[in-house]
Amino acid sequence: LAKTTQPISMDSYEGQEVNITCSHNNIATNDYITWYQQFPSQGPRFIIQGYKTKVTNEVASLFIPADRKSSTLSLPRVSLSDTAVYYCLVGPPEGQTGANNLFFGTGTRLTVIP
Amino acid sequence: ETGVTQTPRHLVMGMTNKKSLKCEQHLGHNAMYWYKQSAKKPLELMFVYNFKEQTENNSVPSRFSPECPNSSHLFLHLHTLQPEDSALYLCASSRGLAARDEQFFGPGTRLTVL
Repeated sequence: LAKTTQPISMDSYEGQEVNITCSHNNIATNDYITWYQQFPSQGPRFIIQGYKTKVTNEVASLFIPADRKSSTLSLPRVSLSDTAVYYCLVGPPEGQTGANNLFFGTGTRLTVIP
Repeated sequence: ETGVTQTPRHLVMGMTNKKSLKCEQHLGHNAMYWYKQSAKKPLELMFVYNFKEQTENNSVPSRFSPECPNSSHLFLHLHTLQPEDSALYLCASSRGLAARDEQFFGPGTRLTVL
């Protein structure tokens, strides 16, 4: 299981780009990196997933350097509604059962300030 | 609409009561999960089911008893709970157990034990 480390909290003003970095120094060769977002009193929801380089969707971008020991979730021009907890998960893509790849950790609490 | 529903949304119970939480997924997934989230704490994985078979019991006290009659339904039976069991209980489902399989969460049941 690749342990992940994220900042506990971050603050940002509306309209700014926010980058949240997750460290996963012992990531395995076939592990994928997945980010979830959780609003207060709701379940987490999937944001983005990647293996290497850069992935972009309508919500965010995910940057993964060549050594894959970290990843950065980038949220462009955040709004107040982006205030949430963001979780980074690392685990194998297929074939492994059990809870080893389902550890959400403490996440990063992002607060967007008007 | 996440495709995962949970009932009830709120529950208040005494320590001697017996109650059940229900989760239903309409996504055709094979795996279902129960998570517990206490105030200001990370998500805690409780139970995992895959194709109706329990694959994970994350050292959960016996006062919590899961039941998975089919791949679409998951129950959490509660009896003789303690006040510290008060939390948000989240159900999730996914296609499989791989880290690459996106987990879809329900809205949760806010449980208060008096």
